[in-house]
Amino acid sequence: EPEVTQTPSHQVTQMGQEVILRCVPISNHLYFYWYRQILGQKVEFLVSFYNNEISEKSEIFDDQFSVERPDGSNFTLKIRSTKLEDSAMYFCASSEAGLDNEKLFFGSGTQLSVL
Amino acid sequence: GNSVTQMEGPVTLSEEAFLTINCTYTATGYPSLFWYVQYPGEGLQLLLKATKADDKGSNKGFEATYRKETTSFHLEKGSVQVSDSAVYFCALRDSGGSNYKLTFGKGTLLTVNP
Repeated sequence: EPEVTQTPSHQVTQMGQEVILRCVPISNHLYFYWYRQILGQKVEFLVSFYNNEISEKSEIFDDQFSVERPDGSNFTLKIRSTKLEDSAMYFCASSEAGLDNEKLFFGSGTQLSVL
Repeated sequence: GNSVTQMEGPVTLSEEAFLTINCTYTATGYPSLFWYVQYPGEGLQLLLKATKADDKGSNKGFEATYRKETTSFHLEKGSVQVSDSAVYFCALRDSGGSNYKLTFGKGTLLTVNP
């Protein structure tokens, strides 16, 4: 079965540094998402992306965050100046168009640790 | 706003035991309800879903019934296996949303011992 691929699986960075989390969604999917889960808390929606633009974002997704689809296969999440509280598991997801967009396919996540 | 509350884990069972993981929700409108499962080292996968009241979602021996009167979507399985060990997430999608966004619970870790 096709799958969403995320790299790296673990990322350690210093506070204030920029990080880019990478995702390769399933090739025929049109909707892309980032979610995150801080340890012990709920999985939280960050952003959805469709037709090369952000279609919805949460209050978490402030100016420090950005997303990009630089080519036909990758979907990235950039955090410009990381804070300690950005430490979390970040999940990328994708879905098809139409009624099947209710089924999200998730990657296995990138564990981001900000020191 | 929307929210999902699910049973705190971890849950530890012996093989062939009966499983219930409780999930209740708060939402505007008429949400669709989901259970996702995350096996070790993998991404979240859709396990089952229900889109309207009294619908029952089922897959791999798991079931959940959309109960509007109790705003619940409890996950059940009659006889668990070691391979069911995973984290289970309850989630909803608000029917009023123009874009697709899931609201998740915290997840419940299930460990099944042989």
